[in-house]
Amino acid sequence: QVQLQQSGAELVKPGSSVKISCKASGYTFTSYDMHWIKQQPGNGLEWIGWIYPGNGNTKYNQKFNGKATLTADKSSSTAYMQLSSLTSEDSAVYFCARGDYYSGFFDYWGQGVMVTVSS
Amino acid sequence: DIQMTQSPASLSASLEEIVTITCQASQDIGNWLAWYQQKPGKSPQLLIHSATSLADGIPSRFSGSRSGTQYSLKISRLQVEDTGIYYCLQRYSNPRTFGGGTKLELK
Repeated sequence: QVQLQQSGAELVKPGSSVKISCKASGYTFTSYDMHWIKQQPGNGLEWIGWIYPGNGNTKYNQKFNGKATLTADKSSSTAYMQLSSLTSEDSAVYFCARGDYYSGFFDYWGQGVMVTVSS
Repeated sequence: DIQMTQSPASLSASLEEIVTITCQASQDIGNWLAWYQQKPGKSPQLLIHSATSLADGIPSRFSGSRSGTQYSLKISRLQVEDTGIYYCLQRYSNPRTFGGGTKLELK
């Protein structure tokens, strides 16, 4: 069955960077987009961008240009998101989610990674 | 960016009641709309895609409809397990945008 297993919670200092992972299993990793979504505590959902692991193409929400960098490792079926120059506004839960092959909607989600930015 | 205005922000309903949540798109998005349910501490679950198509494994009491740029999610007979926060999502254009959410509770 399709599974997206994300890395563990992170406590990081302001100004630093963090790289979180999303390991896919149960499907052909290179054939589906992988999306990343941000959810601040008590808030709604915000789309960060996607990567197509088949060729590494990416598309970002302009709001996250320079903040998020998406990569993928085909050999390990793992997608990554690096967040840089962290501030308290980056404290949030970050989800990876697969884009359905036909509809493009997010059909499977990871469990989420809590990133806390604090000195 | 396309704005998705979701209403109501919160809703309290009784068991077996009919519940309707709506999303208004700021421009035409065709049928490129999905609905998700999120329970506390969990990731969102796809309920409806392409405005009206039921996702795999979702009970038939959930349904989606469209009238122009207004989209609705209907729960025909509310069950205990239907409590949570509901979001709409448009994927017509980038950036993909979500509605603000509707918190559904049992009365």
